Amino acid sequence: GENVEQHPSTLSVQEGDSAVIKCTYSDSASNYFPWYKQELGKRPQLIIDIRSNVGEKKDQRIAVTLNKTAKHFSLHITETQPEDSAVYFCAASRAGGRRALTFGSGTRLQVQP
Amino acid sequence: DAMVIQNPRYQVTQFGKPVTLSCSQTLNHNVMYWYQQKSSQAPKLLFHYYDKDFNNEADTPDNFQSRRPNTSFCFLDIRSPGLGDAAMYLCATSSRAGTGTDTQYFGPGTRLTVL
Repeated sequence: GENVEQHPSTLSVQEGDSAVIKCTYSDSASNYFPWYKQELGKRPQLIIDIRSNVGEKKDQRIAVTLNKTAKHFSLHITETQPEDSAVYFCAASRAGGRRALTFGSGTRLQVQP
Repeated sequence: DAMVIQNPRYQVTQFGKPVTLSCSQTLNHNVMYWYQQKSSQAPKLLFHYYDKDFNNEADTPDNFQSRRPNTSFCFLDIRSPGLGDAAMYLCATSSRAGTGTDTQYFGPGTRLTVL
């Protein structure tokens, strides 16, 4: 089955700095890579996703890059704000079959004002 | 505009006393998932329904069962809760369409406490 590794487990940045979270996956058939943000006690919220037919996707301060050859993808947050503080999960799945998501272990991002 | 609704939001039960958690959706999605999330961990898939087709994860304990009486509703039954079953239970839905992969929408979760 799919295995997703996520690093770092915790990340502390100053407000205004950039944050990068990286994930690697094992199943070369995976072709969908969402990122979820989860605030304390709340549901995971999809913030951005990428499919394997593109290498990069951007939405305002958030971007995701995908390297299919190396089987890794990254989340980039620029101009971080205190409200970006949360736990971020990457995930991977593939078309066909059951399409269940396999989550990474999560990164706790703390943005210091 | 709630799309995935879970009830109750907080559930307290006693060790060994059966409990049922419910999930409903207004998205008309054909796939529904149940995840268990413990503190500081990633959501762990327990099982999912594709329409009425039930798919159990290999490591989901027999203590956990699920029912999906119709498209909109899905239930998680814990037959004999143990202390280790205390967690947040998340319901999610997605729509299998075409050959692409599909976004999952999560409910707010039910936090289960076992005394």
